[in-house]
Formats: sequence, structure tokens, C-alpha cells
Amino acid sequence: GAGVSQSPRYKVAKRGQDVALRCDPISGHVSLFWYQQALGQGPEFLTYFQNEAQLDKSGLPSDRFFAERPEGSVSTLKIQRTQQEDSAVYLCASSGFYGGRLQNTEAFFGQGTRLTVV
Amino acid sequence: AQSVTQPDIHITVSEGASLELRCNYSYGATPYLFWYVQSPGQGLQLLLKYFSGDTLVQGIKGFEAEFKRSQSSFNLRKPSVHWSDAAEYFCAVGARMNYGGSQGNLIFGKGTKLSVKP
Repeated sequence: GAGVSQSPRYKVAKRGQDVALRCDPISGHVSLFWYQQALGQGPEFLTYFQNEAQLDKSGLPSDRFFAERPEGSVSTLKIQRTQQEDSAVYLCASSGFYGGRLQNTEAFFGQGTRLTVV
Repeated sequence: AQSVTQPDIHITVSEGASLELRCNYSYGATPYLFWYVQSPGQGLQLLLKYFSGDTLVQGIKGFEAEFKRSQSSFNLRKPSVHWSDAAEYFCAVGARMNYGGSQGNLIFGKGTKLSVKP
């Protein structure tokens, strides 16, 4: 597609339920990022993939959060045993090569998945 | 540690008036700098970016920003605001890496919400 696509757009989960959020990056983009945006806050980095390799997961808030990108394209962010503090918008972004160089900073964002834990 | 400060949580301007949104960053060297805009229910859209060179950067929708190293600032400006500019604006900083890209993640400020009076 033309842009980064995320699904579902909205998710309501009961506390303790597991959820899976999907991200389809721009075709051919090497790099993929997940961010968490709490209400009234800026996005906060969760994790980064280069192709299928997860190079940085320093922002994942707990071991309940897990991300994968097995074939280097679509990525899934999984949250186990959801808690109310997990309620947020989860943003996915991708970036690629520009002028022959990997320009991770040219990030294109999806519309996000709004997760509400009740 | 890197950080971004947007001192103004909410700004209201009249349509046709000029606009300046403030952004200060903390980083040990010259960073990559960005401004993103987020409309309700939408993803983040890149307005402009600074990598190197001319410190006055032109972006989309008539926005510009000026990098001032001595003040650690990257303020966003527009000479005449339109009602459609009402949105939330985020300043972000990315770390430079030797290969010309960044380490992957961006640090965002908390955002400034812009309201436009008719």
C-alpha cells in the first residue's frame, strides 16, 4: 500500500486478556518502529527492527510486551495479560534507504491502534 | 540523556496571525531534528526536518523552522495560520550514527496543541 497500515484501529480488551496489534509497513522499508502514545503525551519508543532482526527493545515496558517481524515485513506487537496502564495509542512507523543510505530518521507513521483496557 | 521540551501545552491564535511553537532539546552533539503534526484520529505527519547545512528549514504547508545551536532550539514558525492548521505538533530529536542514519528511535516532546480562532 501507499502508507503504513495498522489494524485494528480500535481495540477494547478486558484486563488480563492478551492482544495482538498488526503493522504493515511501506513496501520495501527496512526499518520498523513501535511507539506507545499515552493520552496527552508524545510518542515513546518501544522497539526497533531492521528487516527481521529486533535490534533495540529497550523501550518495552515489561516482559508482557513482545514484538516480532518474522519475514522482515509485517510486524505484530503482542501484549500479554493486559493492564489498565497499557491503555494507549500504539503507533507503528517505517523507514528505508534514501540516497543509498539507511535513513532511519525519515519515519512514516501509521494511524495507530487505540487500545483501551477495561 | 537526550530530551525534548515543548514549553507550551496549548496555544490559541487567530486565523491569519503568525505562529511560533517552541522546542528545546538536550543532546551532546548536533542531532537530527523534526517537527511532526498530528490531527485527531490521524497518524503523525512529518512537517520538516533538519539534518545539516542551512539552519533555516522549509517544510510543507508553509511551515519553517530554525535550528539555533547556541540556544538548543528548533522553533517552528508560520507567517499566517489557517483554520486547518489546528492540530497537535510534536518536536522530536534523533541521534546521529556514523553511517549517516540514526540509531532508530526518536525522542518526542509532549506536544503543543494549536487552536485557531476564526
